[in-house]
This record gives sequence, structure tokens and C-alpha cells, in this order.
Amino acid sequence: KAGVTQTPRYLIKTRGQQVTLSCSPISGHRSVSWYQQTPGQGLQFLFEYFSETQRNKGNFPGRFSGRQFSNSRSEMNVSTLELGDSALYLCASSLGSGAGNSPLHFGNGTRLTVT
Amino acid sequence: QQQVKQSPQSLIVQKGGISIINCAYENTAFDYFPWYQQFPGKGPALLIAIRPDVSEKKEGRFTISFNKSAKQFSLHIMDSQPGDSATYFCAASGAGSYQLTFGKGTKLSVIP
Repeated sequence: KAGVTQTPRYLIKTRGQQVTLSCSPISGHRSVSWYQQTPGQGLQFLFEYFSETQRNKGNFPGRFSGRQFSNSRSEMNVSTLELGDSALYLCASSLGSGAGNSPLHFGNGTRLTVT
Repeated sequence: QQQVKQSPQSLIVQKGGISIINCAYENTAFDYFPWYQQFPGKGPALLIAIRPDVSEKKEGRFTISFNKSAKQFSLHIMDSQPGDSATYFCAASGAGSYQLTFGKGTKLSVIP
């Protein structure tokens, strides 16, 4: 079974630009969560989607948004990029009944660098 | 504030030794406590997890100890191997949620 696939692996953008990251979950998984990983703040929850609906959102500004398609694939978008948005963005998929019942499976991330 | 505090930041252990990483949480609503292992260039992978109705869970060389009254839990890696060298994260959430709160991570180096 293929794992969680994130594309692209690396991105370099300029301040003020916008970026879209893509995530393909494990087949059969209906929940997709996004996390930001930085050396200073560690792993922080961005949002979670289930059946095309955002179920939960972390404490990030509105510049961070996401969506999920009917095939469970997900995208996240960051508008008006800031230097502090440089991070590893991780996507994780699961069956959807909560981490205690169906654990998260993480992809290898997209490394975003903002210059 | 929903925090999970993890210590130590880094740990060096001899091959065959015991590695111990500790975490403390504040939110009593948390009822799911996983540990993740992350290698460079890879995403975190679930190692072992515990619910608060048990005080200990063992899977192979990995054991979680859980102290509900102290709001603390720890990961013990027995017979540590060089292949265990990675960054370990504790986390906590409600069992029905995917909003995990992570500790800041422990970089483990197991030297031959």
C-alpha cells in the first residue's frame, strides 16, 4: 500500500508570493491533517479535513488555508508569504475516527523556503 | 494553555543502554498519548501510544510509562541500538481528535 505522498518535496518562494502544497492520502483514508514543523516551534497543527469538510483548525492566521477534494486528496495554500513561513509542511492521513482509534500516517513533507 | 513539555532536548546513550525521554502535559482533557520517531528527511512515524486507563504499555524494546496523577509520561528504549538514533516526539490529544499537541522533540544518538 502506498504511503502518504506530498508534492513538491522542495519549494523556494519570495516574500509576498503565494504557494500551494499537495497531499495524496493512503488509499481508503478519508481524513487529512496538516502540520507545520520548524526548529523553533516544533510540530504545530494547522487543520484537519474529513469528507471535504474542515473539522478542526489550529492557531494560524487566515493566510493559511486548505481544502479537500472528493477523492480525499488535499491541498493547502499560504498567501502573502512571510520569511517566518519557511518550514517543513507535513501532511498526515487516517481513517478518520480520531487519533486514538485510527493513528496518523505522515508523509515526508514539503520543505518551503521563503526568501 | 495546551502544552506538552519534553525533556531532555538531546540524549547520548551507549549501545545496549536504556534511553529515557520524559513528557509532561497540562490539559486533563487529553486522553491519547503517542510517541513518534522521526529520521532526517522523513516524516514522523508512530512508535507506540497509550491511553490513560493503563499505566504501562510495552511493544518490543519500547515501553511507555504513564502517571495520570502527575500528568507525566515517558518512553523507555531498552537495549538501545545505533539504528534507534533519531528524533523522538511525545504528543497528546483527545482520542477523537487529530489535533495533536507535540513536545519539542529529543534527539537521541546511540553510540557503538
